[in-house]
Amino acid sequence: AQKITQTQPGMFVQEKEAVTLDCTYDTSDQSYGLFWYKQPSSGEMIFLIYQGSYDEQNATEGRYSLNFQKARKSANLVISASQLGDSAMYFCAMRSDTGNQFYFGTGTSLTVIP
Amino acid sequence: KAGVTQTPRYLIKTRGQQVTLSCSPISGHRSVSWYQQTPGQGLQFLFEYFSETQRNKGNFPGRFSGRQFSNSRSEMNVSTLELGDSALYLCASSQKIRQGVVSPLHFGNGTRLTVT
Repeated sequence: AQKITQTQPGMFVQEKEAVTLDCTYDTSDQSYGLFWYKQPSSGEMIFLIYQGSYDEQNATEGRYSLNFQKARKSANLVISASQLGDSAMYFCAMRSDTGNQFYFGTGTSLTVIP
Repeated sequence: KAGVTQTPRYLIKTRGQQVTLSCSPISGHRSVSWYQQTPGQGLQFLFEYFSETQRNKGNFPGRFSGRQFSNSRSEMNVSTLELGDSALYLCASSQKIRQGVVSPLHFGNGTRLTVT
């Protein structure tokens, strides 16, 4: 079975500071993808960043980077230089290359303080 | 390229009624998935369609059904609505890029269903 765990229900960060959102996963598959999504209060799920299990380098997309530690099965999201617009729910997700389903964590609510 | 379009954005129904939600995927995407999101249960997978065939189904009762058309548009139907069906229903599309690369889901804005 595949499982995603996000242990931080809520996080606060000062504007312009960096913040790390934790995500651990469990799978027996060798080939899989890890994803982070942002969900503002409007409801839309916005794709942020992707990391393949065979990628040797950590993924980066602008202010977002994914700290991928395969042996520890963790895929933490790092947001640098936080902005007020970063306040939202953040979901970690995984899908194996052979699977038909994405598995989502329970999410972390991030609040950026001015 | 237009994103995933879901209609309607909001719906209010009464118990016992049925509802149909619509989803148009990103052009070229052949896979469409549906998720139910509630504060208590989080994101729960309903089903996935690919080329008009249901490939995978979550743990929901038979009142929840779906289909996909030849143009990849998808509909989801919920019959005999219950109060607990009140939720945000999210549709997402994706494409298969190549073996070894898992393509992301691209979500629509969702349909917020309220059952009274």
